[in-house]
Amino acid sequence: GQNIDQPTEMTATEGAIVQINCTYQTSGFNGLFWYQQHAGEAPTFLSYNVLDGLEEKGRFSSFLSRSKGYSYLLLKELQMKDSASYLCAGGVSGGYNKLIFGAGTRLAVHP
Amino acid sequence: DSGVTQTPKHLITATGQRVTLRCSPRSGDLSVYWYQQSLDQGLQFLIQYYNGEERAKGNILERFSAQQFPDLHSELNLSSLELGDSALYFCASSVAFDTQYFGPGTRLTVL
Repeated sequence: GQNIDQPTEMTATEGAIVQINCTYQTSGFNGLFWYQQHAGEAPTFLSYNVLDGLEEKGRFSSFLSRSKGYSYLLLKELQMKDSASYLCAGGVSGGYNKLIFGAGTRLAVHP
Repeated sequence: DSGVTQTPKHLITATGQRVTLRCSPRSGDLSVYWYQQSLDQGLQFLIQYYNGEERAKGNILERFSAQQFPDLHSELNLSSLELGDSALYFCASSVAFDTQYFGPGTRLTVL
């Protein structure tokens, strides 16, 4: 199967750090993507992990463990504008390409 | 701004009607993808085209069809519309089978 699970909602304080977890049962995922989506807007690409380990990109980092079917997105120095949904997606490819999305985690950052 | 454009931004129509959604990929991208996002389903992959050829199909209804034209723009045709087809429809593009960048979406309301 290709189920992706992530928490529905999280809250955090401005300036803090938050970790959003994503677990998956995969057949054929060849990488893990994270997208940010503000309500009613397009998903925006944040990060891509194909190998195990941590990828750091400014305030955002993403981690992958393929053997455990586990990923997380770490957001540091939270800002109010980080209030959004964060979508974990598995990439499936092989002469084609598609993303299988989790339901998303709605993050609320408060002062 | 991802560079992917979609028209129209909003579409309101009646049950039983047919509509066409249009997408222009980023300059240089050969792959185009269509996704549906409804409140209770999250982002669902519909179909992928690469350089004019259909490459992958997801949970796309038989009432829906798509094509990619020689200039690489794509159209998604939705026919015999039902209330449940009301959703945000996103187009994404990528160079080949790599990171996908999403357009702003078309919000379809079926009354």
